[in-house]
Amino acid sequence: AQSVTQLGSHVSVSEGALVLLRCNYSSSVPPYLFWYVQYPNQGLQLLLKYTSAATLVKGINGFEAEFKKSETSFHLTKPSAHMSDAAEYFCAGVAQGNTPLVFGKGTRLSVIA
Amino acid sequence: DVKVTQSSRYLVKRTGEKVFLECVQDMDHENMFWYRQDPGLGLRLIYFSYDVKMKEKGDIPEGYSVSREKKERFSLILESASTNQTSMYLCASRQGAPNTEAFFGQGTRLTVV
Repeated sequence: AQSVTQLGSHVSVSEGALVLLRCNYSSSVPPYLFWYVQYPNQGLQLLLKYTSAATLVKGINGFEAEFKKSETSFHLTKPSAHMSDAAEYFCAGVAQGNTPLVFGKGTRLSVIA
Repeated sequence: DVKVTQSSRYLVKRTGEKVFLECVQDMDHENMFWYRQDPGLGLRLIYFSYDVKMKEKGDIPEGYSVSREKKERFSLILESASTNQTSMYLCASRQGAPNTEAFFGQGTRLTVV
């Protein structure tokens, strides 16, 4: 069964520093993977998705993620953190068409001025 | 702009009340989902639906039921609300293809007193 693990429930970075949020998946078939962002008291908004077209995926707000099959990873990065990036981030995956997305437990990103 | 609309942002209900949470999507999506979100636990799937009048249990269906009489509407019902159902509830919809993302509503923060 598909599962998604996010390492680190809370990550803190300085403004302008690299953001790295980790996500690993387990699946017996090639997965489709997603990163979502959630601002306080809001729903989830899609940042980017991997659908096997390219291993490096660019998303909104300067974020990108690289699919590494050998490491079963899909880590989210941004070269330079901004205060507005402070939010909760969720990695999600699905292995087959009509099954629900499976979510990681989330990583809260804090950005320090 | 695509939209998933949840009927209430905030609700306060008494223990034992019957509670209805409504969700409407305007994207003609086949699949709709109800998740609950609690700190440290991420998003947990309550119920989902592949089509009108169809429903499937998710990971935590106990204490909940759902209704999907029309394609665009998916209702979550708490038959007899309890304090441990105090949570953020998120509705989502998605096409049936595996490479498609889920779209989320703004969430309903339910407090049961």
